[in-house]
Amino acid sequence: EDKVVQSPLSLVVHEGDTVTLNCSYEVTNFRSLLWYKQEKKAPTFLFMLTSSGIEKKSGRLSSILDKKELFSILNITATQTGDSAVYLCAVGTSGSRLTFGEGTQLTVNP
Amino acid sequence: DTGVSQDPRHKITKRGQNVTFRCDPISEHNRLYWYRQTLGQGPEFLTYFQNEAQLEKSRLLSDRFSAERPKGSFSTLEIQRTEQGDSAMYLCASSLAAGIGTSGRTETQYFGPGTRLLVL
Repeated sequence: EDKVVQSPLSLVVHEGDTVTLNCSYEVTNFRSLLWYKQEKKAPTFLFMLTSSGIEKKSGRLSSILDKKELFSILNITATQTGDSAVYLCAVGTSGSRLTFGEGTQLTVNP
Repeated sequence: DTGVSQDPRHKITKRGQNVTFRCDPISEHNRLYWYRQTLGQGPEFLTYFQNEAQLEKSRLLSDRFSAERPKGSFSTLEIQRTEQGDSAMYLCASSLAAGIGTSGRTETQYFGPGTRLLVL
């Protein structure tokens, strides 16, 4: 059975801190890894990663994939209160379904 | 707004009643997915369509659940004889896939706002 594990499950930081969220996976027929941000509503897409070692960046967020060690990290630098959300990691396999982790609840305090 | 839309946004029903949810995908997207999300968990895959064909169903989709996409555009998810354990957020997503069936990559799935179901 495909499995995606995120850590930590929750994290509380102060504005300006840098955070690293972890995602490890055990799946058959890996195709891609996706990160989503969820703020009490629909998950919104952040990144899709398919190749090892290539960092994706968008503003203060960045992510990288290691297909040998089967994990990905999501970094957020200079955190802001608006970054408070659940960050979901999902793995796409053959058949188009996404398998999600439990998510990391990030709280950024002013 | 050209994103994925879902209706209703909230539904409260009594155990044993039937409920139906609707999803309208992004207009040019040919794939449509249903997921279920309970509190503190990530979304769990239920089923997906490519155009009007239902290509995959999860074991989570019991015989009380049925999904349709009759014209390859909007989709409905019906739950018959609801149980308290069906209380969850039901999320719909859509994507644009090239070709029929599986391809060598995963397309980005864009999610709707969800329908929150409470079964009393």
